[in-house]
Amino acid sequence: DADVTQTPRNRITKTGKRIMLECSQTKGHDRMYWYRQDPGLGLRLIYYSFDVKDINKGEISDGYSVSRQAQAKFSLSLESAIPNQTALYFCATSDSGGPGDTQYFGPGTRLTVL
Amino acid sequence: GENVEQHPSTLSVQEGDSAVIKCTYSDSASNYFPWYKQELGKRPQLIIDIRSNVGEKKDQRIAVTLNKTAKHFSLHITETQPEDSAVYFCAASRGDDKIIFGKGTRLHILP
Repeated sequence: DADVTQTPRNRITKTGKRIMLECSQTKGHDRMYWYRQDPGLGLRLIYYSFDVKDINKGEISDGYSVSRQAQAKFSLSLESAIPNQTALYFCATSDSGGPGDTQYFGPGTRLTVL
Repeated sequence: GENVEQHPSTLSVQEGDSAVIKCTYSDSASNYFPWYKQELGKRPQLIIDIRSNVGEKKDQRIAVTLNKTAKHFSLHITETQPEDSAVYFCAASRGDDKIIFGKGTRLHILP
């Protein structure tokens, strides 16, 4: 879905480096999410935000932080990257006023921490 | 909090046969149950969903059933085709809260 974009799409970094992943959406949705995907572990929620002033921890928030700069932008930071944070990261949005919680995913960011 | 269990983790079926994926949830307040399909190298996309006031929903070859009493729901794919090969995720939500995903089922359609 071109309405949800993520940058960068691929990133290789070293242990201890600070990394920021960015997500932007043009869908006008209030809710934004960051997920991590590892083989066999499905989609695990890192952080989510239901509006600009709302930030909530998900099930695996340790080692991560987020910023909701605007309704359309939600960034994920790894303050000091470690190898076990190597994964595929997805941003998603949903509309609190829409039909249920249909999630619209971005294309993903593949992060490798050496 | 909500916990969603999904089975099986891998499923292989002959082309043309049916496939069934099952999920259970723990939070009786959950009222929205979507299914997402993720093709290789792509993002997850919604394929069908069901709400707690409905027992079954169909869309062409796919259907979802919900048993609120037992707290389980299932995805049924009939007349499977090669393009059905993908990873499928079930999920549950209370609507006013975050959505929780199952760990996924990798479906292989055999020629």
